[in-house]
Amino acid sequence: ETGVTQTPRHLVMGMTNKKSLKCEQHLGHNAMYWYKQSAKKPLELMFVYSLEERVENNSVPSRFSPECPNSSHLFLHLHTLQPEDSALYLCASSQGRAGGYTGELFFGEGSRLTVL
Amino acid sequence: GNSVTQMEGPVTLSEEAFLTINCTYTATGYPSLFWYVQYPGEGLQLLLKATKADDKGSNKGFEATYRKETTSFHLEKGSVQVSDSAVYFCAGDNYGQNFVFGPGTRLSVLP
Repeated sequence: ETGVTQTPRHLVMGMTNKKSLKCEQHLGHNAMYWYKQSAKKPLELMFVYSLEERVENNSVPSRFSPECPNSSHLFLHLHTLQPEDSALYLCASSQGRAGGYTGELFFGEGSRLTVL
Repeated sequence: GNSVTQMEGPVTLSEEAFLTINCTYTATGYPSLFWYVQYPGEGLQLLLKATKADDKGSNKGFEATYRKETTSFHLEKGSVQVSDSAVYFCAGDNYGQNFVFGPGTRLSVLP
């Protein structure tokens, strides 16, 4: 497999559920990202991991909890979400930010989350 | 901080029409500039990029030129196809410090 793979592609959950989104990149990159894409809103950067260390957290509510166990895998743990959290969650990777930055993000196809 | 502004659309064109989607940026220094495309049901993918002033990025018949004097990076295509229907995002990055996307422009091409 190549590129950036996200699972599941679709997820429906209640407000009291706990679920996780998974992202895996097969590109040898050292930085990974979570973005939120809502209807009629710009892409929102949520978290950035560089060399498995979280380097950016853009005021994301604590009901979203990222985890980066190694440079190829990124998770987004979800707990007690709200209906307004329904969106497409996109994972991306890049070669950078720590050295060799090429300026290109490679995106997965996204996980469509619906919170009831 | 850095920001990217692009025409919001939606843009509806007939096949073989000329396309322009405007994009301007505000940044400290000279960012690299990108156009990403998102086809229905997919994630974003890089369409083209330019890393310095006067550079022209091109791919699949699309072009954009990095204009420092007007801080612009407008996307153009001479003859669009139905398969070009997608959402197009302008983006800028200042060496990995702050990757910023525009709001996206939805393009619909009718046969």
